[in-house]
Amino acid sequence: EAQVTQNPRYLITVTGKKLTVTCSQNMNHEYMSWYRQDPGLGLRQIYYSMNVEVTDKGDVPEGYKVSRKEKRNFPLILESPSPNQTSLYFCASSSWTGGTFGSGTRLTVV
Amino acid sequence: AQKITQTQPGMFVQEKEAVTLDCTYDTSDQSYGLFWYKQPSSGEMIFLIYQGSYDEQNATEGRYSLNFQKARKSANLVISASQLGDSAMYFCAMVFYGNNRLAFGKGNQVVVIP
Repeated sequence: EAQVTQNPRYLITVTGKKLTVTCSQNMNHEYMSWYRQDPGLGLRQIYYSMNVEVTDKGDVPEGYKVSRKEKRNFPLILESPSPNQTSLYFCASSSWTGGTFGSGTRLTVV
Repeated sequence: AQKITQTQPGMFVQEKEAVTLDCTYDTSDQSYGLFWYKQPSSGEMIFLIYQGSYDEQNATEGRYSLNFQKARKSANLVISASQLGDSAMYFCAMVFYGNNRLAFGKGNQVVVIP
């Protein structure tokens, strides 16, 4: 089954404690991306990657890092989380026929 | 820069009626794909329908149809015979064939009432 696996689903953490949200796809897609969703703001792109070792900033990259060492994996790293990064996060993998999303990660930073 | 616009406020729809969700886009690209996604209150993003920019016929998937008007740069979603389970946020999206980048509108909230 074609899917994007994103973990964890829920995460509560404290300010400043580094965390990683994992994302893996099994569709051999070149393009992967991370979004955050906040009420009234829709989906905003954080980072994207067009292929292995090729990443670029989206609309709201501050406070986030990504890496793309393998085609299937695209982790999102928060080196020093802050409360304004409390949000719903989605990983997506896409081709020219559409995008498949992970199940989302609800992150709360206290 | 490409831009996708969904401007309708939240909508209330009577069960079994049809509802149309508007989406307009702005791009100079000739090759692209258009999509609609549904996001219920549980949060997951569910793919509904796809239309390629070179497809001459409007896409249809069950109760969903996409009214594609290329010259007007619009890609409206029509949901026929609304059901209570259709209550959700709906997002219009585009993918650009050059790099497969996926871009989204801000979404439309739909509430189906019995």
